[in-house]
Amino acid sequence: AQTVTQSQPEMSVQEAETVTLSCTYDTSESDYYLFWYKQPPSRQMILVIRQEAYKQQNATENRFSVNFQKAAKSFSLKISDSQLGDAAMYFCAFRRSQGGSEKLVFGKGTKLTVNP
Amino acid sequence: GAGVSQTPSNKVTEKGKYVELRCDPISGHTALYWYRQSLGQGPEFLIYFQGTGAADDSGLPNDRFFAVRPEGSVSTLKIQRTERGDSAVYLCASSLQSQYNEQFFGPGTRLTVL
Repeated sequence: AQTVTQSQPEMSVQEAETVTLSCTYDTSESDYYLFWYKQPPSRQMILVIRQEAYKQQNATENRFSVNFQKAAKSFSLKISDSQLGDAAMYFCAFRRSQGGSEKLVFGKGTKLTVNP
Repeated sequence: GAGVSQTPSNKVTEKGKYVELRCDPISGHTALYWYRQSLGQGPEFLIYFQGTGAADDSGLPNDRFFAVRPEGSVSTLKIQRTERGDSAVYLCASSLQSQYNEQFFGPGTRLTVL
């Protein structure tokens, strides 16, 4: 079974600074997807960024980028130029690429606080 | 366009009662998922529908939980004989069948069992 671990229950960052959230996972699969989701107090999960395991290039979406280390099974999220609106819970998630269920497996989350 | 909607937003019930939680997916999305998020935890998978059929129900905790999607659109999660441990936010997500298969989430239903 796949597991996702987020070792930082809480993180804080000053506005306009950079912060990195950590995620490690365990799987025997060779092909899969990894995701970072943001969950504000409204509860709605919002996709931040996605990485396909077969791609060596790290995904980037504007101020958000990942450091994907497949051998180490590590998938960290870097937020540059942090904004007050970035404050939320962040969840790392894993999904198999093919075969079987399309379910997401989530970590326990990291609460990000952005200080003005 | 409209996103995934869930009703009710909040539901308070008494131990032993029956509840139904509704999910309206994005129009045209063939895949639908239910997750349960307990306080301080990440969402946990319950069940996945492809069209009208449950393709994977391995996450349902016991036989008190049941979900249907009779016409391949709206889905209802049904919980019988509710227990205090069922208190959680129940999230629904839908997706197209595509290479990337992004799941779009609704705002969830917060269930409180007294």
